[in-house]
Amino acid sequence: GENVEQHPSTLSVQEGDSAVIKCTYSDSASNYFPWYKQELGKGPQLIIDIRSNVGEKKDQRIAVTLNKTAKHFSLHITETQPEDSAVYFCAASNGNDMRFGAGTRLTVKP
Amino acid sequence: DAGVIQSPRHEVTEMGQEVTLRCKPISGHDYLFWYRQTMMRGLELLIYFNNNVPIDDSGMPEDRFSAKMPNASFSTLKIQPSEPRDSAVYFCASSLAGNQETQYFGPGTRLLVL
Repeated sequence: GENVEQHPSTLSVQEGDSAVIKCTYSDSASNYFPWYKQELGKGPQLIIDIRSNVGEKKDQRIAVTLNKTAKHFSLHITETQPEDSAVYFCAASNGNDMRFGAGTRLTVKP
Repeated sequence: DAGVIQSPRHEVTEMGQEVTLRCKPISGHDYLFWYRQTMMRGLELLIYFNNNVPIDDSGMPEDRFSAKMPNASFSTLKIQPSEPRDSAVYFCASSLAGNQETQYFGPGTRLLVL
C-alpha cells in the first residue's frame, strides 16, 4: 500500500521568511496530492492540491511542486505570517486509497 | 454552506459505555469518510461510504466499531463498548462524486474514554 513520509516534523521560521515542507510517497499509481492545514481545535482544511499531470501549482503565497520520477512533492509558503502557524499535512491518493503524512507543525514567529 | 457538521464536539465517557458520533455531510456530496486522529498514528481512515453504501471498512479497528449511513445527510460512528485506547479525535469528511479525493473535513469530535 501507499506510504507517505513528511519532513520536517516541526518547522520554525521568522515572519516574512519562506517555509518548505517535503513529502515522499511510495505508490507510483498515486496521482492526486492535496495539502491540508489544521489549526488548533479544528479539522484539516484543504489549502492546495496538485494532480500528476502538472509539475507546479501556485495560489497566492502558497505553491506545490511535484516530481513524479522521484516520487516527492513539496509545499512552499512565501512571506509567512503568524496566521500561517498550524499543522500541515500532505497526502497522496491513487484514486482508491488516500494516505496522509504525519504532519509538520509550522510556527511563524512575529 | 455550513460545511460538514459533527456532534458532539467533545465527549467524555467511562470505559465500557457506548459512544455515538454523528456527522452531517455537505449537501450534495456523495462520499462520506470517517477518520481517527491520534498523536501516535496520525490520521487514519476508518471507513467510507458512497451514496450511503459502505465501500471500504478495512480501517475499522475492531468489531467494537460500527458505522451507518441511513440517508444522504446523516452518518453515525458507534463504539460499543468503548475503551481508553479509543480516545482520539474523530473526523468526518465528505466529497463530491467525480472528485471524491477532494475531501472537506468537519471540526471533529474529541473523545476521551476514562
